[in-house]
Amino acid sequence: DGGITQSPKYLFRKEGQNVTLSCEQNLNHDAMYWYRQDPGQGLRLIYYSQIVNDFQKGDIAEGYSVSREKKESFPLTVTSAQKNPTAFYLCASIRDRGSNTEAFFGQGTRLTVV
Amino acid sequence: GDSVTQMEGPVTLSEEAFLTINCTYTATGYPSLFWYVQYPGEGLQLLLKATKADDKGSNKGFEATYRKETTSFHLEKGSVQVSDSAVYFCALSDPYNAGGTSYGKLTFGQGTILTVHP
Repeated sequence: DGGITQSPKYLFRKEGQNVTLSCEQNLNHDAMYWYRQDPGQGLRLIYYSQIVNDFQKGDIAEGYSVSREKKESFPLTVTSAQKNPTAFYLCASIRDRGSNTEAFFGQGTRLTVV
Repeated sequence: GDSVTQMEGPVTLSEEAFLTINCTYTATGYPSLFWYVQYPGEGLQLLLKATKADDKGSNKGFEATYRKETTSFHLEKGSVQVSDSAVYFCALSDPYNAGGTSYGKLTFGQGTILTVHP
């Protein structure tokens, strides 16, 4: 079955560490997105990519980095520069840019700083 | 820029009660509108959508009508069940935003927590 897979489901990070969250899709979608979810704040866009080897900053990109070397993969790195990284992270994809079709979401990764 | 405003929650109802969750939006283009549902510890699932004015989206007893004149997309259900307890998000996609910076992305409301008691 086609879908989006995020891993790991739970992730713990020590202060000062970089961590990478995985997002893989086999839907053959062009566009992929990373959102951060905090209680009471809805979803905020971190980065998005509309095509391989290209990506754009979203509303809260500071302290994060991404790459898009393959169509299927859009990993997110939470760097030590992100001062408050504890949150639920969601990856999504849409078939093509400009499309009005719905986004498909992964199951999310809950990141906790310890 | 684009924005979505949802009624504040949480919303607590008894089983079989009528549900309304209000959603209004601001967009520069001609957006598509969506309702997503999130169950505890999971990602978001599409509940319903509407792509043009006066369209009605419906699924699992939920309905929402795209009202361009009031820029609204309110979610309704005539008789809720305990299994409907979740967080509901209103969202819009405005792929033809004049600035080009919101190309294809979803803008979400803050979410409304719904709890249904037996």
